[in-house]
Amino acid sequence: QSVLTQPPSVSGAPGQRVTISCTGSSSNVGAGYDVHWYQQLPGTAPKLLIYGNTNRPSGVSDRFSGSKSGTSASLAITGLQAEDEADYFCQSYDTSLSDYVFGPGTKVSV
Amino acid sequence: QVQLQESGPGLVKPSETVSLTCSVSGFSITSDFYWGWVRQPPGKGLEWIGNSHHSGTTYYKSSLKTRVTISMDTSKNQFSLYLSSVTAADTAIYYCTRVDYHSRGYYFAKWFAPWGQGTLVTVSS
Repeated sequence: QSVLTQPPSVSGAPGQRVTISCTGSSSNVGAGYDVHWYQQLPGTAPKLLIYGNTNRPSGVSDRFSGSKSGTSASLAITGLQAEDEADYFCQSYDTSLSDYVFGPGTKVSV
Repeated sequence: QVQLQESGPGLVKPSETVSLTCSVSGFSITSDFYWGWVRQPPGKGLEWIGNSHHSGTTYYKSSLKTRVTISMDTSKNQFSLYLSSVTAADTAIYYCTRVDYHSRGYYFAKWFAPWGQGTLVTVSS
């Protein structure tokens, strides 16, 4: 049971915009700890997509954007493409557990 | 460009200790970064295991800390994970990763990048 919650799946048509939520609590996201996002394509290792709530690493498409407010964070994908079909995980730090924590993941279907 | 590669036995018997090694190229593990392990049971989500710094500072997931050790071999630019008393619940793909960070003033935000390709460890008799 993760302390971060994500919807199991989201879907959209090519070209559409989809958002994935990551909801935490006052011991993690709400306590001011950053949220980071990872993309895991089928059969591959996770890849960093967004760090520090809103920052994209070099090489990541600007179709991906992150935001954070209160106890929640969101990942938005605009101009949805077939290659975006993957699992997406959020990650933060939980001060009650003293652990780095991941959300359960959201499967994006195009 | 930093690259990480895990290696280790694919099959381990229950109650034994599994040891995995992460070989790092293109970057020195003696730089001011932590290095970590994350695992993923087949078809499931990601679980942080622990982080280690070449200075000897380590942080382990609270529920695993009695069974986990991460050590660094700076001469080989490698770091290793040791997980003892394994059970079927430890069957997973194990990833090694660099722990990147920036200061937020009140704490250091940390994330995992890049990742190795992962190695599957199956616990079975």
